[in-house]
Amino acid sequence: QQQVKQSPQSLIVQKGGISIINCAYENTAFDYFPWYQQFPGKGPALLIAIRPDVSEKKEGRFTISFNKSAKQFSLHIMDSQPGDSATYFCAASRRDAGNMLTFGGGTRLMVKP
Amino acid sequence: DAGITQSPRHKVTETGTPVTLRCHQTENHRYMYWYRQDPGHGLRLIHYSYGVKDTDKGEVSDGYSVSRSKTEDFLLTLESATSSQTSVYFCAISRTGDGYTFGSGTRLTVV
Repeated sequence: QQQVKQSPQSLIVQKGGISIINCAYENTAFDYFPWYQQFPGKGPALLIAIRPDVSEKKEGRFTISFNKSAKQFSLHIMDSQPGDSATYFCAASRRDAGNMLTFGGGTRLMVKP
Repeated sequence: DAGITQSPRHKVTETGTPVTLRCHQTENHRYMYWYRQDPGHGLRLIHYSYGVKDTDKGEVSDGYSVSRSKTEDFLLTLESATSSQTSVYFCAISRTGDGYTFGSGTRLTVV
């Protein structure tokens, strides 16, 4: 049972464009939604995270949009750069269940110069 | 990654042999996790620990065991390796349960 579904699996964007990655979750008890960025040969690194009491969080060029009623959240990368080319994972967790992260399947982003 | 190291980085082993992967942290974090990463599946939780000698199973724990005798070390053992356990294994640590820090991974190949 995949509790967090991520789309698309791969994405190609031109430099300067907007990259959008979407995730949907099933468990309404989830209360923490992070995004991780992973470069080849490296472990995932926390990029940005949101809790369900806000609908949007922005950090630099990265924005999370959160829709609690639709059980969806998305990552927007503004002014995408070739250095943003990586695999991105959304995740979700519950404080009352040990805070174990459940990950989406990942999106491989390529930003073309 | 600073504060967390995994060893070995690469390992090739034969089917049926036991294998132990090590995760070592210098951050004194309470929580430690083992995940495996496979194409199309993202990262899936194998086992986790919320303190010394306190461990529990994750989503894909069959065929794996763990031990945590010291705060800084979390060991993952494949009791009898199978080809389906060929994967990249990541250890993660967390102080509060949020904001995991991942290690650089161990690429395990079972032949």
